[in-house]
Amino acid sequence: DVKVTQSSRYLVKRTGEKVFLECVQDMDHENMFWYRQDPGLGLRLIYFSYDVKMKEKGDIPEGYSVSREKKERFSLILESASTNQTSMYLCASTLALAGSTDTQYFGPGTRLTVL
Amino acid sequence: GNSVTQMEGPVTLSEEAFLTINCTYTATGYPSLFWYVQYPGEGLQLLLKATKADDKGSNKGFEATYRKETTSFHLEKGSVQVSDSAVYFCALSDSAGGYQKVTFGIGTKLQVIP
Repeated sequence: DVKVTQSSRYLVKRTGEKVFLECVQDMDHENMFWYRQDPGLGLRLIYFSYDVKMKEKGDIPEGYSVSREKKERFSLILESASTNQTSMYLCASTLALAGSTDTQYFGPGTRLTVL
Repeated sequence: GNSVTQMEGPVTLSEEAFLTINCTYTATGYPSLFWYVQYPGEGLQLLLKATKADDKGSNKGFEATYRKETTSFHLEKGSVQVSDSAVYFCALSDSAGGYQKVTFGIGTKLQVIP
């Protein structure tokens, strides 16, 4: 079974802090994704990566950056956390380089609160 | 752009009741369609999928049929259990631009009471 793990289940940070969210997958997947989940809005794509050191902006990249130095690890960075970034953050991965039929495998999520 | 529409709920049903959660979509091209489920405190996991028109996805008693003529992918189950209480997300996926792009609905919360 594919396993996607996220470094923290719950995180509390202060406004202005730099925040790192880590995601690791163990199945040699090419693609990795970061979403945020908010009530009434569903999942929104922040960034995705289709290869090591490659990244693409999703629908809501403002205020975020990402890093993918190794194939199995994809990090989301909040350069200066703000209260409107309080949310549930979900990491996902897929095997295929392209194609629409692939299943996304999700981690358990990190609930981030910014005070 | 692509979009997915589903009701937010909550949908409250008694055990053994029939479940329908509606999902409609707009998309260019020929997307694949998915239902994901999120149990309390967990990430999303695939429930079922259909990759072309008229395909039926099924799993754990749940079914959904890819209807291109009505742009719909409604989720059904004949007899729900308390353990089915979760949030259900409809999603579509395409590969326009060379990369997979998934669009999710807002999620429908299902509560099943004994």
